[in-house]
Amino acid sequence: NAGVTQTPKFRVLKTGQSMTLLCAQDMNHEYMYWYRQDPGMGLRLIHYSVGEGTTAKGEVPDGYNVSRLKKQNFLLGLESAAPSQTSVYFCATSNQGYTQYFGPGTRLTVL
Amino acid sequence: SQQGEEDPQALSIQEGENATMNCSYKTSINNLQWYRQNSGRGLVHLILIRSNEREKHSGRLRVTLDTSKKSSSLLITASRAADTASYFCATDVHGNNRLAFGKGNQVVVIP
Repeated sequence: NAGVTQTPKFRVLKTGQSMTLLCAQDMNHEYMYWYRQDPGMGLRLIHYSVGEGTTAKGEVPDGYNVSRLKKQNFLLGLESAAPSQTSVYFCATSNQGYTQYFGPGTRLTVL
Repeated sequence: SQQGEEDPQALSIQEGENATMNCSYKTSINNLQWYRQNSGRGLVHLILIRSNEREKHSGRLRVTLDTSKKSSSLLITASRAADTASYFCATDVHGNNRLAFGKGNQVVVIP
């Protein structure tokens, strides 16, 4: 089992470019989450989903969109990247909303 | 908003010593969790303690929870070099499927 995987691992964007981060899980978990981690800030929740076809805003949703068309995938989109979105992005999953299982992260730099 | 708040410590200890870190939170919780993050990796769940529990053990880990003080502590006994990592507490909120993470404690175990 791969658990939680994230694609890509690294990416460099120019301001204004768009991109999509993919999170895939083979754990059959209902809940999926996208976080960003910045130095000294801990993890902040961007968006999350409690099941296929559902999404909800987290703590810092502005500038991001998400989709959960399939239970196993949760996509995070940046329509027009800004330098403030330079961060490490983590996807996580859980069953029943308790213990979360994290992917390896995507390191994004916006120039 | 961030609820879990660790004491902003960076611990540096010798191998074999114990490491203690603390976390405080603001509102009522169902449970509190501790996670570990090795450099450049995703978070890994360590232990969960429910609001009606006061102490829990898992291997070399001991977690306490004081709901009257809204605080928790994580003790790692007989530390090893492999325990070098950042440690995060995370709290849920009643009726919510989300976790709020603290900013993390960096622990360095010197061989």
